Amino acid sequence: AQSVTQLDSQVPVFEEAPVELRCNYSSSVSVYLFWYVQYPNQGLQLLLKYLSGSTLVKGINGFEAEFNKSQTSFHLRKPSVHISDTAEYFCAVIPIFGNEKLTFGTGTRLTIIP
Amino acid sequence: DAGITQSPRHKVTETGTPVTLRCHQTENHRYMYWYRQDPGHGLRLIHYSYGVKDTDKGEVSDGYSVSRSKTEDFLLTLESATSSQTSVYFCAISDSFLVADGSYEQYFGPGTRLTVT
Repeated sequence: AQSVTQLDSQVPVFEEAPVELRCNYSSSVSVYLFWYVQYPNQGLQLLLKYLSGSTLVKGINGFEAEFNKSQTSFHLRKPSVHISDTAEYFCAVIPIFGNEKLTFGTGTRLTIIP
Repeated sequence: DAGITQSPRHKVTETGTPVTLRCHQTENHRYMYWYRQDPGHGLRLIHYSYGVKDTDKGEVSDGYSVSRSKTEDFLLTLESATSSQTSVYFCAISDSFLVADGSYEQYFGPGTRLTVT
């Protein structure tokens, strides 16, 4: 089985400041990793995903994430946030082989302070 | 945006009443999922479907049943709603199930907010 830990339930950041949202996972098998974003009163939207290749993945809206296999982490970063980035962010993993399902973290609420 | 709609979008019901939530897709994707979202728990899988009339349980399936008679529709039923089932319910779809083909992605609907009083 897999598990995902998002240690920070809430992260307040000033506008135009950088941000890092942390995600750590546990799995006995190789996994693919995802970050989803949920804007207020909306469904989840894929931000980026790591399947293979370069460990630095770029997503939409200027976000990027780096897969670190040795530290089992997939932290999300943005160099300069905007008010429109206010949302909840979910990290998720799925085993590469087999028919298991996505396992989500508990989410991190990012609040941008003007 | 993937063509996924959920109905109703909001519902208030009383304890003990049956409730059915509907997910409708226009993408012809084979796989469909129902999740519930609760503070502090993220999203948890209730049931999923891997084809018409083919369904299986997720991690929080107690008190829920599902049906899929057509590719485009996936219904979630609470046979006798309880207050613990107050939540936001999301439907998701995906075209592939075997992740190794490299194209795996789930697309989510807008959600249904259910309140059981």
